[in-house]
Amino acid sequence: ETGVTQTPRHLVMGMTNKKSLKCEQHLGHNAMYWYKQSAKKPLELMFVYSLEERVENNSVPSRFSPECPNSSHLFLHLHTLQPEDSALYLCASSVEKVGNEQFFGPGTRLTVL
Amino acid sequence: QKEVEQDPGPLSVPEGAIVSLNCTYSNSAFQYFMWYRQYSRKGPELLMYTYSSGNKEDGRFTAQVDKSSKYISLFIRDSQPSDSATYLCAMSGGTYKYIFGTGTRLKVLA
Repeated sequence: ETGVTQTPRHLVMGMTNKKSLKCEQHLGHNAMYWYKQSAKKPLELMFVYSLEERVENNSVPSRFSPECPNSSHLFLHLHTLQPEDSALYLCASSVEKVGNEQFFGPGTRLTVL
Repeated sequence: QKEVEQDPGPLSVPEGAIVSLNCTYSNSAFQYFMWYRQYSRKGPELLMYTYSSGNKEDGRFTAQVDKSSKYISLFIRDSQPSDSATYLCAMSGGTYKYIFGTGTRLKVLA
């Protein structure tokens, strides 16, 4: 595997389900990000982890819960989501240095019924 | 006013044309600039990264930053149908947070 990988690529869940998105980076980076991409909207930064500590949380609803067990893996735990949470969820990574390039994974297409 | 403005398009051009994609921004603290290409239902792919003002060239792609006008551009020479995608600009003032434009859809017609 190379670059940034994400699983699953597609997910359909009911509003009462609990699911998790997984991201893994193979670039030797030490900062990882979760973004939400909705139609006709700019990418929204949800969470940033640097050196495995969360450094930024942009007032994301508590039904989204991130976890970063090490510098290569990032999870987004989902529970009791709403239909408006349906979107493409993108993971990215970068070298732990502000202003550095961010490299994205292919995304997980989430549909909440 | 949005921090980053980008025309959503779609922009349609014939194959071989020079394409100009642009973003304007309002925050004078921005100094790191990136352009991404995103194909339908895929993740963004980094095309160009520039710091501060000036030009940067990579193959058929040229990125320009004009900080005095708060304006950045991406030029694509000899455009190909495979260049058809959405192009996103992103910028940062030196934190982990990049601000993204909404993206411009480009169609290159064969």
